[in-house]
Amino acid sequence: QSALTQPPSVSGSPGQSVTISCTGTSSDVGNYNRVSWYQQPPGTAPKLMIYEVSNRPSGVPDRFSGSKSGNTASLTISGLQAEDEADYYCSSYTSSGTWVFGGGTKLTVL
Amino acid sequence: QVQLVESGGGVVQPGGSLRLSCAASGFTFRSYGMHWVRQAPGKGLEWVALIRNDGNDKYYADSMKGRFTVSRDNSRNTLYLQMNSLRSEDTAMYYCASRTGYYFDYWGQGTLVTVSS
Repeated sequence: QSALTQPPSVSGSPGQSVTISCTGTSSDVGNYNRVSWYQQPPGTAPKLMIYEVSNRPSGVPDRFSGSKSGNTASLTISGLQAEDEADYYCSSYTSSGTWVFGGGTKLTVL
Repeated sequence: QVQLVESGGGVVQPGGSLRLSCAASGFTFRSYGMHWVRQAPGKGLEWVALIRNDGNDKYYADSMKGRFTVSRDNSRNTLYLQMNSLRSEDTAMYYCASRTGYYFDYWGQGTLVTVSS
């Protein structure tokens, strides 16, 4: 199972919006609404930010939103804040009954 | 609150074995499937294995099949990962994570495994 494709890095200024893409195949992202997103600041464990494409767990700011079109899912962070600087990973369930992650995207807040 | 605490990591020689543990608290452990996820130094996340809540069904990433075994003891609220025939490419931080639906909702802080001679 190949990793999902994410851009290595994105950046934005405080207050701006950024979008991180996550491209898979018809065997994972395109076949299921089982995409999730994780935030990982340096030296810490990942934290769930979005599940089932567009749902936010309790406590996650509504600045974080998710969507999907075909084989590509997206995470949008609006009103960027310095504390959003972290690595972000997408994940999808696959038709093999396994899970696959994206390669990760480093978000820099300028 | 939910707490997952991994242990058992360390330095092991190539070809060696190691057993990781994940102690769970703050939720009904026996009701949840549990994952292992790893992260090589400076690299991305890689799914390792899932064990269902009753321990009867287990799933593995292809690169771990036959070498890694996931198990659990619901009476001790503990998840395990037995790793055999370790290779240098198995060097990573190993996280346990609870499963709700098809996502990883709570994560431990990880335990570091280094495979080196």
